[in-house]
Amino acid sequence: GAVVSQHPSRVICKSGTSVKIECRSLDFQATTMFWYRQFPKQSLMLMATSNEGSKATYEQGVEKDKFLINHASLTLSTLTVTSAHPEDSSFYICSARQGGGNTEAFFGQGTRLTVV
Amino acid sequence: GENVEQHPSTLSVQEGDSAVIKCTYSDSASNYFPWYKQELGKRPQLIIDIRSNVGEKKDQRIAVTLNKTAKHFSLHITETQPEDSAVYFCATGAKAAGNKLTFGGGTRVLVKP
Repeated sequence: GAVVSQHPSRVICKSGTSVKIECRSLDFQATTMFWYRQFPKQSLMLMATSNEGSKATYEQGVEKDKFLINHASLTLSTLTVTSAHPEDSSFYICSARQGGGNTEAFFGQGTRLTVV
Repeated sequence: GENVEQHPSTLSVQEGDSAVIKCTYSDSASNYFPWYKQELGKRPQLIIDIRSNVGEKKDQRIAVTLNKTAKHFSLHITETQPEDSAVYFCATGAKAAGNKLTFGGGTRVLVKP
């Protein structure tokens, strides 16, 4: 299957700093990528849909100024957690789908963010 | 928006027995129903999916059934093995919703040897 690579896999940062997470589709082009947040032993909560060349579409309740998404190319989307606080500590995971329509979503390996 | 409910939240079965997980959804426009398996500390991976024009699909020990009228779909795992132990998520997708997936709450399956 297609490969989605996410980096870093783990990051620890201080409160007030910003953290950038990268999501890359390695062997296919993805016009749309999705960013999720997963709390321990809970489900995947969609944060936003990242659209190549245009603004991201955020889900209700997700602060777009705090979670900046940039989809600069067909193979790269980035999520920047700005002015991070301990409550932002979580597992962030991206996914991408090959082609349009309802097809298999391939997930990155996720990023464990810890804000101290 | 779409709401997906998944039951049970935990499921313990004896090796060799069957496991069944059920999901219900609210959006009648949903037409894509994948199931993902997530092992501890790893990324979710697709194990089977079904589209709305099909009522049942099988892949070796795994099968999914869909009842569009009742808006529910189920995952069936037969002859369970210890390596089936993981968290399983159902999801729905709809073209009208930009093809984004809405996930159920997950089921933690433990297969006891």
